[in-house]
Amino acid sequence: GAGVSQTPSNKVTEKGKYVELRCDPISGHTALYWYRQSLGQGPEFLIYFQGTGAADDSGLPNDRFFAVRPEGSVSTLKIQRTERGDSAVYLCASSLTGEGAQYFGPGTRLLVL
Amino acid sequence: EDQVTQSPEALRLQEGESSSLNCSYTVSGLRGLFWYRQDPGKGPEFLFTLYSAGEEKEKERLKATLTKKESFLHITAPKPEDSATYLCAVQTRRDDKIIFGKGTRLHILP
Repeated sequence: GAGVSQTPSNKVTEKGKYVELRCDPISGHTALYWYRQSLGQGPEFLIYFQGTGAADDSGLPNDRFFAVRPEGSVSTLKIQRTERGDSAVYLCASSLTGEGAQYFGPGTRLLVL
Repeated sequence: EDQVTQSPEALRLQEGESSSLNCSYTVSGLRGLFWYRQDPGKGPEFLFTLYSAGEEKEKERLKATLTKKESFLHITAPKPEDSATYLCAVQTRRDDKIIFGKGTRLHILP
């Protein structure tokens, strides 16, 4: 399909471990966003890429979180030394230019035990 | 501080009973306002973008409107399949950041 894809769909890890979450945006979309969503809440902004560069990373909660988009397409969100409070659904979205509608993937459900 | 508030938090309607969901916002400059639908266990699905006060968009039983302070999502003669969480988000002119509300959980009873 032509939509945004995310892998894995579910991830269970232990406190202190490192995890990587992957996002494949819609082909041709220059803007890519990562969000975190907790139960009963709206998505919370983490980071925004325009092309290969992070245009805004002000939503990353601390330096354990890092994201890359080396070729301007696929992006990886990396979380070091995971904590139980990191458990949430991590959503990725892309848009054609950074203005206008964003199209979301199905999310990765992260559970830190 | 830029902020988006949705009300009510939850709404139960009988099939065919029309209603409206509210999204109030305060931003330093609005680039656009978005409505999304989210089903359990899935990512948000784009519905509408509104850019300026007075603008309206329609899709099937849904109509979105925008003023300088709020947006409404009107649902006409809803069906059970319209049950979902409806999310409102604004994009700011200052830094293109997207800010979401907490959503309204809509349940349509058959």
